[in-house]
Amino acid sequence: DVKVTQSSRYLVKRTGEKVFLECVQDMDHENMFWYRQDPGLGLRLIYFSYDVKMKEKGDIPEGYSVSREKKERFSLILESASTNQTSMYLCASSRTGSGSGANVLTFGAGSRLTVL
Amino acid sequence: AQTVTQSQPEMSVQEAETVTLSCTYDTSESDYYLFWYKQPPSRQMILVIRQEAYKQQNATENRFSVNFQKAAKSFSLKISDSQLGDAAMYFCASSFGNEKLTFGTGTRLTIIP
Repeated sequence: DVKVTQSSRYLVKRTGEKVFLECVQDMDHENMFWYRQDPGLGLRLIYFSYDVKMKEKGDIPEGYSVSREKKERFSLILESASTNQTSMYLCASSRTGSGSGANVLTFGAGSRLTVL
Repeated sequence: AQTVTQSQPEMSVQEAETVTLSCTYDTSESDYYLFWYKQPPSRQMILVIRQEAYKQQNATENRFSVNFQKAAKSFSLKISDSQLGDAAMYFCASSFGNEKLTFGTGTRLTIIP
């Protein structure tokens, strides 16, 4: 069964801490994504990576950075966590190209981050 | 700006009945994909159905079907014979000519036994 695995399901951090959210996929997908999910706002794209070491800003990149050193792993970094970054973070991956699976996102279970 | 709009924050339906969730979008692209995703309570987001914009035929997956009106930029999801397991948040999304998906704000569907 193909998977996107997010390392932490629940995290509680203090304001100002550096936070790492890890995501690993085993489908050899080219594309990986970090979304933030908030009630009433849906899913908003933070960052997108289409290849190793390549990244693109999404709609809300401020306060976040990402790292993709290997194809299967995409990390989201909060350099200095703030209370307004309390949210559910969803990692996803997809393959490039055409056909029935193209552009279909496979999601991880999510990481719920609380910043105190 | 390319947007996806879901105007129904909440919907409810009697078990075994049919319900339709609405979605509209705005884009200048001619080639794109449209999706419905389902997020059950405390569970993973999964794909329900996918539609390619260049195909006129509406996609169907068992009890789930879409009504795709390209000129009106409308993409509604019909769930027939609703079951308790259909209770979830439903998100409409589109890839507007690239790999990134833009999502709507979601519709919470409640199934009444």
